[in-house]
Amino acid sequence: NAGVTQTPKFQVLKTGQSMTLQCAQDMNHNSMYWYRQDPGMGLRLIYYSASEGTTDKGEVPNGYNVSRLNKREFSLRLESAAPSQTSVYFCASGGQWPTFGSGTRLTVV
Amino acid sequence: DAKTTQPPSMDCAEGRAANLPCNHSTISGNEYVYWFRQIHSQGPQYIIHGLKNNETNEMASLIITEDRKSSTLILPHATLRDTAVYYCIVRPSNDYKLSFGAGTTVTVRA
Repeated sequence: NAGVTQTPKFQVLKTGQSMTLQCAQDMNHNSMYWYRQDPGMGLRLIYYSASEGTTDKGEVPNGYNVSRLNKREFSLRLESAAPSQTSVYFCASGGQWPTFGSGTRLTVV
Repeated sequence: DAKTTQPPSMDCAEGRAANLPCNHSTISGNEYVYWFRQIHSQGPQYIIHGLKNNETNEMASLIITEDRKSSTLILPHATLRDTAVYYCIVRPSNDYKLSFGAGTTVTVRA
């Protein structure tokens, strides 16, 4: 039982490159989320999906797009990476008892 | 949304109880109090949550005051592995989004 799996764990991008962060959960949860955490700060919500087929903006959505591919998978896309998007990205799923993935550490140079 | 206030840091002796306070004076009647912790840049880990009554599980106890304006997370026998940032969050019952603040950095010392 893996819980929430994020790939990749580490990534270095050049400014302007694009990439997709993958997230999958095996707990049959309806809700899924993407957060970012900058050094020394708490997590900030980027996007969330209350159920399959729906997505909504969170606190810091600019520069990102998401896709809820099916109930298991929720991906986050950076179309044109910027140094300000250097951060640790966490995916989470679940309602009453949220479970987080181990994170993707992204550096944009 | 209700906000929470936590001390930025606290120390605790190994084997002793750690009592982590949280103020949420503007909490609404349908908002739950949630606690998470984050160990050294891992993903946050759910600890416990409650509405009005005190709650206990295998990790911790949650004491909520009668007026619901504050709460305390109790780690009954702190170990070195409990060193982490602890987040107190209030969350409406009909909204599963979580809003994280800076949390309390808890250091358990041998």
